[in-house]
Amino acid sequence: SQELEQSPQSLIVQEGKNLTINCTSSKTLYGLYWYKQKYGEGLIFLMMLQKGGEEKSHEKITAKLDEKKQQSSLHITASQPSHAGIYLCGADRDDKIIFGKGTRLHILP
Amino acid sequence: EAGVAQSPRYKIIEKRQSVAFWCNPISGHATLYWYQQILGQGPKLLIQFQNNGVVDDSQLPKDRFSAERLKGVDSTLKIQPAKLEDSAVYLCASSFTSGAPEQFFGPGTRLTVL
Repeated sequence: SQELEQSPQSLIVQEGKNLTINCTSSKTLYGLYWYKQKYGEGLIFLMMLQKGGEEKSHEKITAKLDEKKQQSSLHITASQPSHAGIYLCGADRDDKIIFGKGTRLHILP
Repeated sequence: EAGVAQSPRYKIIEKRQSVAFWCNPISGHATLYWYQQILGQGPKLLIQFQNNGVVDDSQLPKDRFSAERLKGVDSTLKIQPAKLEDSAVYLCASSFTSGAPEQFFGPGTRLTVL
């Protein structure tokens, strides 16, 4: 079974709407990464969370690691076409990253 | 600052043929990673180098895959012979050192095995 489960698998939202993507781990998270991948391209680092309750923001994207350190959420406020892509969460495992399957985000103009 | 370079961007081969991918990491980055990303999946680590030494190759199918980073800079990943299930995007990433919070990814090589 997958160590990291992302939900939803895909998401279609109207431009300007808010959205949330979740990442749930079957093990305690000691470091959680969020990356974005545009179709056909490599991954772009968004942010890393390490402490339970930690919250980081980058432009209109906010990510939080829950207190029990087994789940993270990524929230996008007032979505734009540039937010479209695949969002991947990754767990830090002994200086390596184990990735989830990703959430595909489509933004309707 | 130049990013991680990979070539070729696309490759189509027939099963049982051989193929090689090249990666040039960001200058000064000691750690280099090769990932395999099958359609609809997240990237899976194949091999990790620290300078020219292998740190982790536990998920590399060594009967057909090989990788080297002879001078601790650029790297090649080879598949010989290729199978249909090797069709995937092969991503190279680098980081300043092992355990650094951010890995920088190249654009990937999309391999199709017919």
